[in-house]
Amino acid sequence: AQSVAQPEDQVNVAEGNPLTVKCTYSVSGNPYLFWYVQYPNRGLQFLLKYITGDNLVKGSYGFEAEFNKSQTSFHLKKPSALVSDSALYFCAVRDSGGFKTIFGAGTRLFVKA
Amino acid sequence: DAGVIQSPRHEVTEMGQEVTLRCKPISGHNSLFWYRQTMMRGLELLIYFNNNVPIDDSGMPEDRFSAKMPNASFSTLKIQPSEPRDSAVYFCASSPDSGTRFSTDTQYFGPGTRLTVL
Repeated sequence: AQSVAQPEDQVNVAEGNPLTVKCTYSVSGNPYLFWYVQYPNRGLQFLLKYITGDNLVKGSYGFEAEFNKSQTSFHLKKPSALVSDSALYFCAVRDSGGFKTIFGAGTRLFVKA
Repeated sequence: DAGVIQSPRHEVTEMGQEVTLRCKPISGHNSLFWYRQTMMRGLELLIYFNNNVPIDDSGMPEDRFSAKMPNASFSTLKIQPSEPRDSAVYFCASSPDSGTRFSTDTQYFGPGTRLTVL
């Protein structure tokens, strides 16, 4: 069975500082990993995904994520946070041999000016 | 492209009434998903379709919930009878997913329907 965990309910960071939102996963096969963002009263929006290849994946709005197979992690990062990055972030995983994508519980990011 | 369209955006109803939520996926997308989001349970996958056929409905909470996809451009999620615990935001998402086990496609979410059952 596949699962995904976001260990932090909330992350607080000052504007201009780097940010990290953590995600760990468990799958039986090779993982397909995704990050989505949800702004208030909106649906989820795709940020980036890892399928294969380079472990560092770059996505929208300056976000990137690093796939670490040994630690089964896929942490979301940004070098310099903006107030407008404040939102709810979801990590998701799909087993390469399966049909279903599983979403984490979400991490709320607050960026303070 | 208008994206995934959901209607209504807000629905307030009384316990016991029938509720129908509607979704129009992005044209050309083969897969459609219904999710429910609550503070307590987060984002839950209820059901998903591929090429209009239900593939996995294991997330449907109980028989009061039903979903249909009569054609590639329309899907409904019906709750009958509704209960206060059904209050949530319901999202529809679509994907160009080929439906194979090796597809890597991302999902495109609609704006959601906020359902309140009194």
